[in-house]
Amino acid sequence: ELKVEQNPLFLSMQEGKNYTIYCNYSTTSDRLYWYRQDPGKSLESLFVLLSNGAVKQEGRLMASLDTKARLSTLHITAAVHDLSATYFCAVNFGNEKLTFGTGTRLTIIP
Amino acid sequence: GAGVSQSPRYKVAKRGQDVALRCDPISGHVSLFWYQQALGQGPEFLTYFQNEAQLDKSGLPSDRFFAERPEGSVSTLKIQRTQQEDSAVYLCASSSSRRQETQYFGPGTRLLVL
Repeated sequence: ELKVEQNPLFLSMQEGKNYTIYCNYSTTSDRLYWYRQDPGKSLESLFVLLSNGAVKQEGRLMASLDTKARLSTLHITAAVHDLSATYFCAVNFGNEKLTFGTGTRLTIIP
Repeated sequence: GAGVSQSPRYKVAKRGQDVALRCDPISGHVSLFWYQQALGQGPEFLTYFQNEAQLDKSGLPSDRFFAERPEGSVSTLKIQRTQQEDSAVYLCASSSSRRQETQYFGPGTRLLVL
């Protein structure tokens, strides 16, 4: 079965702190995507990771991919309030459609 | 256009009514996808088109769901005889023909079946 799991499901963090969201997937893939979703809004593309060891950074967010471990991480550095959102990882298992994780609802507390 | 657009943004239907949801992909995008997102969940795949060809409809939950893209651009998702469990946000996404291309999502249609 093609599965994508994220943890934690909920994350409450103080401003200025660092944290990591984990995304595990069930079988081989070299195409992993991170999206952000604000309440009542659609999905905004954050990162595309296409090879083992890939690392992408944008502002306070950094994503990495380890295809051997079937693991991606989204690291948040020195969190600020406007990063509060739900973050989804999604995997393409070679059949063009995306299989999404359950999402991580991130709340940044002042 | 600048992005993927969907209409209507909100739809309230009585149980048993038929509904039609429209998606306008990014101009020139070959691939078009429909996803269903229940409250508090991640999107789930419904169906996929490459140009006008429907290549995968394995995610459609029942034969009440039907999608088309007759000219390889605009797509319509039709739900016949709506049921309460059809209430969800229906998201459309498009991408270019390149294998590694990101899927860009529209704002979604929020369907409520009473």
